[in-house]
Amino acid sequence: SYVLTQPPSVSVAPGKTARMTCGENNIGSKGVHWYQQKPGQAPVLVIYYNSDRPSGIPERFSGSNAGNTATLTISRVEAGDEADYYCQVWDSSSDQRGVFGGGTKLTVL
Amino acid sequence: EVQLLESGGGLVQPGGSLRLSCAASGLTFSNYAMSWVRQAPGKGLEWVSSISGSGVSTYYADSVKGRFTISRDNSKKTLYLQINSPRAEDTAMYYCAKGSSWFDPWGQGTLVTVSS
Repeated sequence: SYVLTQPPSVSVAPGKTARMTCGENNIGSKGVHWYQQKPGQAPVLVIYYNSDRPSGIPERFSGSNAGNTATLTISRVEAGDEADYYCQVWDSSSDQRGVFGGGTKLTVL
Repeated sequence: EVQLLESGGGLVQPGGSLRLSCAASGLTFSNYAMSWVRQAPGKGLEWVSSISGSGVSTYYADSVKGRFTISRDNSKKTLYLQINSPRAEDTAMYYCAKGSSWFDPWGQGTLVTVSS
C-alpha cells in the first residue's frame, strides 16, 4: 500500500524558488496531484496529473514526477503562497483508495 | 461555477449516528464521482470515501469501512455520508469534493465532534 512521504517544512525567501517533494517507491508510475491549504480554508487543487495546472492557478506553480519522487515547484515565491501543501495519489493496486501525504508547511521568510 | 455546500455536522456521542450532506450546483452531478475527505484538528488530510457517478461503485478507507456509508441522490444533486458508531478519532472537519482520482473543487467543510 502507498505511503507518501513529505518533508514537514520548507522555508524560502520571497522571489526565490520553493521545491516540495513527495516520495514513494516508483511514484513515477502514478498520477500525483497537489493541493494548497491556507489556515481556516478548504484545500485547493494546484496541480493534477503530475504537471497540469487547473484554470486560475498561476504559471509559477509547476510539477514533475519521476522515479521515486514527485516535486511541486513554486517559482518567484510570494508571501501569499505560505500554506500547507499536500500530495495525493489514487491507489488502484489492490483496493481502490485515495492516499495523501502528510503535508509540507511552506514558510515564506 | 461548481459549488459544494456541506451540512449535518455537529456533536455526536460515541456509538451514535450522524448523516452529512453535500449539496452540489453548477455541474451535471450524475456525470461525476464524488468523495469525502476529512481533517482532524491540527492534522493532515485523510481520504474517507468515494462513489461513482451512478452510485454503483463505492470505496472506503480501512479506518471507516463497516461504519460509514457513502451514497448519493442524483435527482437532488446531493452526496451523503452516513456515520455510524463514531469514535473519538472520527472528530474532524469533513469536506466533500468532486472527483475521485483527484479532488476539485472542495466544499468549505462541516465539523463533526465525537464526544460524550
